[in-house]
Formats: sequence, structure tokens, C-alpha cells
Amino acid sequence: EVQLVESGGGLVQPGRSLKLSCAASGFTFSNYDMAWVRQAPTKGLEWVASISTGGGNTYYRDSVKGRFTISRDNAKSTLYLQMDSLRSEDTATYYCARSGGGYPCWYFDFWGPGTMVTVSS
Amino acid sequence: DIQMTQSPASLSASLGETVTIECLASEDIYSNLAWYQQKPGKSPQLLIYYANSLNDGVPSRFSGSGSGTQYSLKINSLQSEDVSIYFCQQNYDSPWTFGGGTKLELK
Repeated sequence: EVQLVESGGGLVQPGRSLKLSCAASGFTFSNYDMAWVRQAPTKGLEWVASISTGGGNTYYRDSVKGRFTISRDNAKSTLYLQMDSLRSEDTATYYCARSGGGYPCWYFDFWGPGTMVTVSS
Repeated sequence: DIQMTQSPASLSASLGETVTIECLASEDIYSNLAWYQQKPGKSPQLLIYYANSLNDGVPSRFSGSGSGTQYSLKINSLQSEDVSIYFCQQNYDSPWTFGGGTKLELK
């Protein structure tokens, strides 16, 4: 059974950093592109970042470029999102998602339960 | 960025009814369209990809259609467990964008 479990969320002050992790199991992690998608409270879904199978190619939405870094450790079957210079508008539930379809035709075929990030003083 | 516009924003229907949700892309996305279901308090689940391909385990009462800029999700014989928010997503190009969602409730 495919499982994705996020961790690392919490309350953080504006301008500070947070690192999210996503532990994957039930599939060969190194064979799949992966992504982070977020959802602000009572809002819609917003793609944040993606990474290729080997980690050599990364993609970001403009609003997080230069502040967020997506990475992966295939030996540990774990996906990461390093979030620096956090802003109030980054407040959201962050989902780890497995990508299907192949770049650039990515859809998201499995999602974790999410981890909440609140940026507030 | 490709804008995805869903309609209606909310919908109320009776058990057994057929409902249709529309999604309009701001440019041709060549059937690179996915639909997701998000039940209250849960993460989204993939229903349909490439506009009309049913994901594994999804009931056959769900179907997708469309091309170009216009797409739709149809639910036949509405069940109580279908109460959810439904999102479309274009997977044609970066940044991958979602529609605003359609909240489906029982009448």
C-alpha cells in the first residue's frame, strides 16, 4: 500500500525557517517524481515545488523561488521541503504528493495527509 | 500561467441524481486535465487523469470528458459518500494550476 506521511509542520514566526519531511513507503520511491502542494485554510490547492526522480531537476512556483528548496534522499525514501524567509501567506497545509504522467504532464496520484504550517508572530 | 475556472462553485443534488461539474482552461491544454475529490478533513484523491482515464479503484459512476479548453466531470447516480469538494488541475505546463473547487452537497 502506498503511504506518504508528512512531518515537521508547526507555528513559526515570519522570517524564520522550517523543514518539512515526507516519508514514503509501499512503492519504489526512486522511480517517481515528487511534489509539494499546499492548501491555505478554507482555500484551494496550490502547487509549490517538484523534483525529478534523481533530484537533478527542481521546479518552483514564482512566489517561493529563492526561499524554498525541495530535495530528496532516495536511500531513505524521503522527500524534503526547506522553507526559509517564511511569510504569513505561506500559512497552509502542505501535502506531499507522488507525481504521475511524466514531466511536464504531471498529475498527482497519491497524497499524504498533510502537515500544517502557520506563520505568525 | 494557465488559469482554471470551475463552475459551479457549489452544488446541491439529491441521492441518485446525475451531476456535472465544468472546468474551463484559459488556453488549450490538450486533454492534460485531472480531477480530484477531497472529502472533509482529508487530502485530495485522484479520480481522473488525461481528461477521461479513470484512476484505479474509482467507481465507474465517475466519468470525465472534454478537449481543448473545456472539460467536465460527471457523477451518475449520486451517493452519500460523494459529498466532497472537487478540483480540476491542468497538467499541461508549469506552474501546474488547479481550479477553485466545487463543493457538492446533498439536497
